[in-house]
Amino acid sequence: DQQVKQNSPSLSVQEGRISILNCDYTNSMFDYFLWYKKYPAEGPTFLISISSIKDKNEDGRFTVFLNKSAKHLSLHIVPSQPGDSAVYFCAAEYGGATNKLIFGTGTLLAVQP
Amino acid sequence: NAGVMQNPRHLVRRRGQEARLRCSPMKGHSHVYWYRQLPEEGLKFMVYLQKENIIDESGMPKERFSAEFPKEGPSILRIQQVVRGDSAAYFCASSPTLSRNQPQHFGDGTRLSIL
Repeated sequence: DQQVKQNSPSLSVQEGRISILNCDYTNSMFDYFLWYKKYPAEGPTFLISISSIKDKNEDGRFTVFLNKSAKHLSLHIVPSQPGDSAVYFCAAEYGGATNKLIFGTGTLLAVQP
Repeated sequence: NAGVMQNPRHLVRRRGQEARLRCSPMKGHSHVYWYRQLPEEGLKFMVYLQKENIIDESGMPKERFSAEFPKEGPSILRIQQVVRGDSAAYFCASSPTLSRNQPQHFGDGTRLSIL
């Protein structure tokens, strides 16, 4: 049962344009969401997060939007740069005593120069 | 400040052998998580440990897998009698507390291949 879904396996964007990566979830108990970026042969690196009490969080070129009623979040990267080319994972937590992360399957972003 | 260190980076085992994966968390981090990534899939939670205690092992297979985080030394993920389906990348993550302001930091993983 995939509780966090990233339905686009890949995305290609021109340098300087906006990249929009999408994520849907099914468990209404999730109350915190994160985006991680992963290069080949490396571990995931934390990018940005958002609490369920907010609908937007911004950090430099990265903005995450959360639509609780639709159980949907998205990551916007503006402007996209070739170094952004990586796999992006959406992850969710429902807190409690562990903060274990439930990951989506990832979206491979390719930013073309 | 060194990041999360995992070793070995690559491990090859024959079916039936044992695999031991090590994880040294970042300095000052007492919370350790293990995740497994099968080919073409996302990372899946396996186990969460604090020093000398297993807190949540809900993602661990019931047989052949065990984990520990002793008072001294790295956390160890142990897989006994490995099978082909155990081939995956195993990632360790650590955090200093359970605060949402301190996200988990990941190591670069151990890639386990079963012949």
